[in-house]
Amino acid sequence: QVQLQESGPGLVKPSGTLSLTCAVSGGSISSSNWWTWVRQPPGKGLEWIGDIYHSGSTTYSPSLKSRLTISADKAKNQFSLYLRSLTAADTAVYYCVRGGDRNYAGGNYYYMDVWGKGTTVTVS
Amino acid sequence: DIQMTQSPSSLSASVGDRVTVTCRASQTISTFLNWYQQRPGRAPKLLIYAASNLQSGVPSRFSGSGSGTDFTLTISSLQPEDFATYYCQQSYSAPWTFGQGTKVEIK
Repeated sequence: QVQLQESGPGLVKPSGTLSLTCAVSGGSISSSNWWTWVRQPPGKGLEWIGDIYHSGSTTYSPSLKSRLTISADKAKNQFSLYLRSLTAADTAVYYCVRGGDRNYAGGNYYYMDVWGKGTTVTVS
Repeated sequence: DIQMTQSPSSLSASVGDRVTVTCRASQTISTFLNWYQQRPGRAPKLLIYAASNLQSGVPSRFSGSGSGTDFTLTISSLQPEDFATYYCQQSYSAPWTFGQGTKVEIK
């Protein structure tokens, strides 16, 4: 089955750039899925960051769009997040996630069904 | 953005209890609603998609219902492994948004 593994620095400086990579195993990043990033600040809820479709098209959270880039490397079967101009508010656990959809009752229903274990990022 | 509001924020229950969590959307989302479970220190897990469809491998004591703006997640008989935080998430329109979570604690 598909597994996802995040990697990247645990500590980054304010105003710096966060670079995280998600390695996909047991499946192909070229499959018809959305390869997604979600984060969770300490003690708080989940925030969708953005995703990249297998075609290469990206969708970003409006609140992060100006600082965010998500890209994919099909040769390495991985995708990456780059978040610029970091502040303490970006401190969180970052999850890479597979988004999928299913046709049901005439509609295409999107969901996030495979999650990495998460990586903790502290901005300080 | 569509705002998702869950209630209650937390609840205490005993093993064997029937538990209900409510999620309300700020606008109609048909049945484009998912539920996730997050145990402490773990990644979230998909429980239910399209408001009422059980994800493969999820126990049948979990069920979901609702459409439009009001949704519920029900656990028919709470088990020890169900003590966790539950999140709803709308998949009607991007940006996808989550509720703030409902923590189910041991009574």
